Amino acid sequence: DGGITQSPKYLFRKEGQNVTLSCEQNLNHDAMYWYRQDPGQGLRLIYYSQIVNDFQKGDIAEGYSVSREKKESFPLTVTSAQKNPTAFYLCASSVGGQNTYRGNSNQPQHFGDGTRLSIL
Amino acid sequence: ELKVEQNPLFLSMQEGKNYTIYCNYSTTSDRLYWYRQDPGKSLESLFVLLSNGAVKQEGRLMASLDTKARLSTLHITAAVHDLSATYFCAVDNPYSGGGADGLTFGKGTHLIIQP
Repeated sequence: DGGITQSPKYLFRKEGQNVTLSCEQNLNHDAMYWYRQDPGQGLRLIYYSQIVNDFQKGDIAEGYSVSREKKESFPLTVTSAQKNPTAFYLCASSVGGQNTYRGNSNQPQHFGDGTRLSIL
Repeated sequence: ELKVEQNPLFLSMQEGKNYTIYCNYSTTSDRLYWYRQDPGKSLESLFVLLSNGAVKQEGRLMASLDTKARLSTLHITAAVHDLSATYFCAVDNPYSGGGADGLTFGKGTHLIIQP
């Protein structure tokens, strides 16, 4: 079955440590995204990528980094510069990447099951 | 900056009743999404609304879009307990030029349906 796999499900970070969250999709989607969700809040966009080897900052990119070396994979690193990393992190993907007009496409973004990150 | 506002943010209702969740957004966009989230879980896509006047229905849920008013509604008919969840609306970046730039989400409506 096609889908998005995020790992680990739970992650703990020590002070000054960088941690990497994995996101893999087998939906053959060009576009991938990372969102952060705080308790009782909506999702906020961290980074997105419309095509391999290219990515763009979202609304809250500070303290995070990403890479997109393969179409299927879009890992997120939470660096020590992110002072408040405790949150639920969701990865998503969708059809339509750079220079792709989605027109009447009715395809939504598909989400993984998320990673809960906490500070030790 | 695109802003998306949902109301109410919290709703407690009884089974069998009808209610409407509202989603307003600040900048012209012709694509709106509704998602459901169960506690501790990921987001499940409910509806994609692509144009002014679009209406979609699935079971007891019906969503509509008025792009001129920048308003979408999610109507619940004869609510049942299984519909208890948090519902989010999200809007496309209107300046994306057709590319996939990510969504702007409302804060969500936490819905509790009591027997």
